[in-house]
Amino acid sequence: DSGVTQTPKHLITATGQRVTLRCSPRSGDLSVYWYQQSLDQGLQFLIQYYNGEERAKGNILERFSAQQFPDLHSELNLSSLELGDSALYFCASSVDVNEQFFGPGTRLTVL
Amino acid sequence: AQTVTQSQPEMSVQEAETVTLSCTYDTSESDYYLFWYKQPPSRQMILVIRQEAYKQQNATENRFSVNFQKAAKSFSLKISDSQLGDAAMYFCALGGNYGQNFVFGPGTRLSVLP
Repeated sequence: DSGVTQTPKHLITATGQRVTLRCSPRSGDLSVYWYQQSLDQGLQFLIQYYNGEERAKGNILERFSAQQFPDLHSELNLSSLELGDSALYFCASSVDVNEQFFGPGTRLTVL
Repeated sequence: AQTVTQSQPEMSVQEAETVTLSCTYDTSESDYYLFWYKQPPSRQMILVIRQEAYKQQNATENRFSVNFQKAAKSFSLKISDSQLGDAAMYFCALGGNYGQNFVFGPGTRLSVLP
């Protein structure tokens, strides 16, 4: 158990819908990262937050957005969902901004 | 831009034998970190080992060790005394000094044969 929690574990929704994925980092970690992993693919870095502020942006679509709240938990919002958005979404956190610990992931299925 | 390449999509090893997974990278930064992550069938991402670029000594964690060749930009993972539980996808990753530009390689799927 890495100490990073993600909810929900599974999410099934329809095209065009909007969902929110939630992540709670390890106690004391200020950085939160979001990744997307499609089936049998590597990890695509989406976005990083550090102590509430956006620190780095990767290949994140305009339909996706994220934020980190004062209690350091983070949410990833996915809107206008398409079939191709079906994937495993990971959250990771770190304290020294280099060693990332991953949550168990949220499996999103878009029908 | 930072890149990470893993040229072996799949590898297999006999139980109790040794296997080496390859990783090459490219970065313009002088300060960076390298990692190997393991992803078993459960899909959980598990940190196996990390290496600071400024350290010449190769990192070691029990049966896992790395061969870090900074000039060649090579970072291979050696697994000794392979066990069935080592079967997984292994990802090489490169991170900048402040955690930015974190890049993963495409992964190597390791099978362990009994």
